[in-house]
This record gives sequence, structure tokens and C-alpha cells, in this order.
Amino acid sequence: SAVISQKPSRDICQRGTSLTIQCQVDSQVTMMFWYRQQPGQSLTLIATANQGSEATYESGFVIDKFPISRPNLTFSTLTVSNMSPEDSSIYLCSVEDQGRRYGYTFGSGTRLTVV
Amino acid sequence: SQKIEQNSEALNIQEGKTATLTCNYTNYSPAYLQWYRQDPGRGPVFLLLIRENEKEKRKERLKVTFDTTLKQSLFHITASQPADSATYLCARTKAAGNKLTFGGGTRVLVKP
Repeated sequence: SAVISQKPSRDICQRGTSLTIQCQVDSQVTMMFWYRQQPGQSLTLIATANQGSEATYESGFVIDKFPISRPNLTFSTLTVSNMSPEDSSIYLCSVEDQGRRYGYTFGSGTRLTVV
Repeated sequence: SQKIEQNSEALNIQEGKTATLTCNYTNYSPAYLQWYRQDPGRGPVFLLLIRENEKEKRKERLKVTFDTTLKQSLFHITASQPADSATYLCARTKAAGNKLTFGGGTRVLVKP
């Protein structure tokens, strides 16, 4: 099964600044997914990142706020821009894991606190 | 739009009993329903997947059923153990490789 290395694991940031989260997968994957999990809530998809094309954003999420890079088939970054306290959440990346027969593997998450 | 709903109330259960969790969906039948376990501070971990043309799947002490008439999936943990205490998430995809849509999750607490 795929292994995802996500970093940083946590950060405390000042409002108005930006944070870039990285995910590295140990195998090549077509799509990578970025989720947000607000305190006490379930996961909400932010965007789907395809290599070689623009990311596809879900309703309520925009590229200016959450720019995504996908330079190759094993790596992606999500930037949380111009942060406010409302952005305090856990951010997770995910890939479909063929080894698990269509289950998905998740990174360990980035716990972001904006002060 | 598709909605996935889980019982938001925590499920407290005695060790050794069977925990049963419910996942209901609206609108079209998802191609795949998946169940994940999430521990505090960790990412979800895949447990089981059931396809729309399947009635039941098993893996060790876990069992998942899928009823397209009721638009419902049930997730069973038999012979529950305190180590099973976690939040369990139901999610659907329309096809392999598509994005996941999650339910709100159900927290399970197994008491010794």
C-alpha cells in the first residue's frame, strides 16, 4: 500500500501569513486529494490535484486562497494563504491506493493554528 | 447533491458486544461505500469497501452491509475491544479514483 509523508505535522502561524504543506507519496499516483478537517468535524474536500493540469476546486474553495502545486506524480503542495483564525484546522492529503483495492491512504495531517 | 449521514451521537458499548454503525445516503446510489477509522490526531485509515452490487463484506471482526433499497450501509464490529475505540467514517465515491465524500463520523467508545 502507498505511504504518504506529510509535513509539517503542526504549525502555529500569525494571521495574514501563508503556510505551505507538502505531501510526498512513495509511488506514482494520478490524482492527489486535499482535505480540511475543522475541529470536531468530518473531512471536507478542498481540491483534486492532477499532475500537469490545474487543480479542481470544490465549491467554497478558491485557488487564490488555497493554491496547489503538483510538479510530478509523487508530490504535491497546498498553500493556505493570508490566514485567519478560521483557517485553523487539520489539513490532509490523500491518494487512492490500488494496493487496498480502491481504498484511500491519507497523510498524517497538518494541524494548523492561526493566532 | 449527494449527502452522507451518520449518527452523530457517540456509541458507548461494553467490551465483547457488537457495535453497529449506520451510514445513510441520499440521491443516487454510490458506486463504492467505504469505511475508515480515525484516531485523534491521525489521518483516517481505510478499513473496508463495498460495491453497489454487493450485499455484504467481511474482514476479521468487521462486517459491512449495503442496502440500495434503504440507501443504507451498516458497519458492525463484533466482539468489540477497548482498542476499537475511535471515530468511524463512512465515505462514498462514484467510481474508482474519484473523490471521497465523507459522512460526519460516529465516535465509538468500548468500555472494559
